[in-house]
Amino acid sequence: GAVVSQHPSRVICKSGTSVKIECRSLDFQATTMFWYRQFPKKSLMLMATSNEGSKATYEQGVEKDKFLINHASLTLSTLTVTSAHPEDSSFYICSADGGSQTETQYFGPGTRLLVL
Amino acid sequence: QKEVEQDPGPLSVPEGAIVSLNCTYSNSAFQYFMWYRQYSRKGPELLMYTYSSGNKEDGRFTAQVDKSSKYISLFIRDSQPSDSATYLCAMGGNKLVFGAGTILRVKS
Repeated sequence: GAVVSQHPSRVICKSGTSVKIECRSLDFQATTMFWYRQFPKKSLMLMATSNEGSKATYEQGVEKDKFLINHASLTLSTLTVTSAHPEDSSFYICSADGGSQTETQYFGPGTRLLVL
Repeated sequence: QKEVEQDPGPLSVPEGAIVSLNCTYSNSAFQYFMWYRQYSRKGPELLMYTYSSGNKEDGRFTAQVDKSSKYISLFIRDSQPSDSATYLCAMGGNKLVFGAGTILRVKS
């Protein structure tokens, strides 16, 4: 149980294009999903908290117009990197709240974004 | 001072050794403590979850929490090459705060 998927696993795009990453909880419903960014050999940096049916809460320093988050259902959240630039190249990981019985988060496999 | 301190390593041990991984934290409000394992280019995988001070065992893994010292540990017995990964401690509540991660290398 508690499986989270992400799609795509890897994407290469040209500078200036937008990229959408999907995060799905496959066998449970997640009221809250989280989006992280991870640089090589660094820990996870929380970008935003996404609640189903409401606006995402962004961490300080994260541009909400740059990183659009939509949490349309209890099993799907999307992150759109708009007008991507090379500095947006990173490993993006989503996680889903395990539910009211636990404070754990279950992570997706991550999406590697390379902007040329 | 960072909220969570974790030695990044790398920690290199021979196969079969007992591994001890540790984190310290400064926020006494943290109530939940987790250990995640992350293989290269993969998402973190939940290994252990604890709520209170004390020990919790699962197979070869033992998680230990000492709230009075603000110190948590993960012990791995009979370490295997397949245990080679980055181990992240995490703690908090609705929002998790992660340690930097310790790179573990188990040599056969």
